[in-house]
Amino acid sequence: EAGVAQSPRYKIIEKRQSVAFWCNPISGHATLYWYQQILGQGPKLLIQFQNNGVVDDSQLPKDRFSAERLKGVDSTLKIQPAKLEDSAVYLCASSPPGTVPGELFFGEGSRLTVL
Amino acid sequence: AQSVTQLDSQVPVFEEAPVELRCNYSSSVSVYLFWYVQYPNQGLQLLLKYLSGSTLVKGINGFEAEFNKSQTSFHLRKPSVHISDTAEYFCAASKAAGNKLTFGGGTRVLVKP
Repeated sequence: EAGVAQSPRYKIIEKRQSVAFWCNPISGHATLYWYQQILGQGPKLLIQFQNNGVVDDSQLPKDRFSAERLKGVDSTLKIQPAKLEDSAVYLCASSPPGTVPGELFFGEGSRLTVL
Repeated sequence: AQSVTQLDSQVPVFEEAPVELRCNYSSSVSVYLFWYVQYPNQGLQLLLKYLSGSTLVKGINGFEAEFNKSQTSFHLRKPSVHISDTAEYFCAASKAAGNKLTFGGGTRVLVKP
């Protein structure tokens, strides 16, 4: 079974530029999550989708971050404009229907460096 | 609000020695508890989970954790570590009636030969 796919793995941009990250969850997984992991900290939930609807985006900085999950499969996370403090690893995770809350399958992450 | 605290940010340990990683959580409702492991440059992988029942939970790679409700703890242990156990370990909790996973700050384990 293929895992959660993310791209790009690494991205370096200047502040005020924009960036987009892509995630393809495991086939059949209805729930998709984007987490931000700042160096030395635990992951923090940015947004959670159930199929193509948003369940929780309470910690998403909506003035600069946006995310979508068209057709309930792939998802894109965009940052525009980027700030220095956005340097982090952006982790995508998914979970199948009926799973235990909190049991997630993670991708390898996209590491963003903002200069 | 639910929170998860990992008391040690780094734990150096010699190969074949035991290791214990401490985790405390705060919640007024029933919770599910998890330990995830993150190897260098990889995503997080589930080690073990506590849902209900026996307080001693066994996971992959010889790890186990004990749920202690009175102390609101979920400490992770391994009796004998290998070099390959060098990684960062995250304790996490979710409410039984919800779907949001809250992570602790992580404990970096460095296994020395």
